[in-house]
Amino acid sequence: ETGVTQSPTHLIKTRGQQVTLRCSSQSGHNTVSWYQQALGQGPQFIFQYYREEENGRGNFPPRFSGLQFPNYSSELNVNALELDDSALYLCASRLRDSRTDTQYFGPGTRLTVL
Amino acid sequence: AQRVTQPEKLLSVFKGAPVELKCNYSYSGSPELFWYVQYSRQRLQLLLRHISRESIKGFTADLNKGETSFHLKKPFAQEEDSAMYYCALRNAGGTSYGKLTFGQGTILTVHP
Repeated sequence: ETGVTQSPTHLIKTRGQQVTLRCSSQSGHNTVSWYQQALGQGPQFIFQYYREEENGRGNFPPRFSGLQFPNYSSELNVNALELDDSALYLCASRLRDSRTDTQYFGPGTRLTVL
Repeated sequence: AQRVTQPEKLLSVFKGAPVELKCNYSYSGSPELFWYVQYSRQRLQLLLRHISRESIKGFTADLNKGETSFHLKKPFAQEEDSAMYYCALRNAGGTSYGKLTFGQGTILTVHP
């Protein structure tokens, strides 16, 4: 079992609201990525943070934003929630430039937007 | 744009039968390819990566650059192999270095 944890496990919001999802990376990992997984689909890359700076972004609007903290925990914030934002949100951490450079995924946060 | 295609959403085999999960990709560069697996009620985890050229749980995958494929194979399927399998391609450089592009996944069911 990896050390990547996410909170909360489940969340229900209504359209227009804002949400913050949290991820605690595996100890020592300097890179965290966030993915959105809609039902029946593979995970889609939202963005990535390396040493607290955004370091790559997928095809998601600016209302999806994030933060990475010095202790390698991170947040995904989504403003003005839409029904289509309902999905499983995964974070993944890794030690960039390490020999293995493997991404370790958290269990995910299931977001439902009503 | 990079893309990963897994043409089969569902694959059913009987225990002991060979299994092959297909994966094709498009990428303008030298790809890094992976297979991830998600067992029931567990998180997504790495199964194998092409650069390791290793066999994990009896599974192997060979990168075929000519056919742009990275099919996952196992000669004798076991019931515990039943899971969702994702093929993924990783950006080897640029601003999104490390970004994974996933296929839609294949649900493998191994019947007793």
